[in-house]
Amino acid sequence: ETGVTQTPRHLVMGMTNKKSLKCEQHLGHNAMYWYKQSAKKPLELMFVYSLEERVENNSVPSRFSPECPNSSHLFLHLHTLQPEDSALYLCASSLSGTSGYEQYFGPGTRLTVT
Amino acid sequence: AQSVAQPEDQVNVAEGNPLTVKCTYSVSGNPYLFWYVQYPNRGLQFLLKYITGDNLVKGSYGFEAEFNKSQTSFHLKKPSALVSDSALYFCAVRVLSGYSTLTFGKGTMLLVSP
Repeated sequence: ETGVTQTPRHLVMGMTNKKSLKCEQHLGHNAMYWYKQSAKKPLELMFVYSLEERVENNSVPSRFSPECPNSSHLFLHLHTLQPEDSALYLCASSLSGTSGYEQYFGPGTRLTVT
Repeated sequence: AQSVAQPEDQVNVAEGNPLTVKCTYSVSGNPYLFWYVQYPNRGLQFLLKYITGDNLVKGSYGFEAEFNKSQTSFHLKKPSALVSDSALYFCAVRVLSGYSTLTFGKGTMLLVSP
């Protein structure tokens, strides 16, 4: 495994529900990311956190709300989602400021909005 | 703006034959290039990267990639394909900013037949 865990692995929620996705990295990294992966579409970067500060928000609807309480944990809070939000949500982490720059991904949460 | 293109949606190859998955890039300055693989219902796994140095980069699972500056390409190769190599492959380039943001290609599905 890559050292990045995500829970839950599968989530089915109604459009009026509120739920949260959790990501945890055990790699000592200082940057964390949320991506959305939909069928037939390129990987979409949603949010970037570096040193627990949000540094990028790629025009994501406000029904998605990220939280990064420390460098090891990242959450994605979901509320009043739409069916088109059904996708695989991937968390990743990396060590910024080094020559590596590669990101390590968790297994993803498969979200279905009914 | 940094970008990568994967011209093939799918590549088919017979087991034991060499395989190539193509990637071309567009960057300003020196490129930082990456290959990732995604197996069904899994997150992306880092395979290899090019930062500087030797144009032939070796990575995990017997994969290698050749950086060609004149052709702005970074093709993924393997001398002898395995059925277990069947997966979705992503090329990525680092966006030039203070953070390790990557831009991914749309992915190429590799199918290795027995």
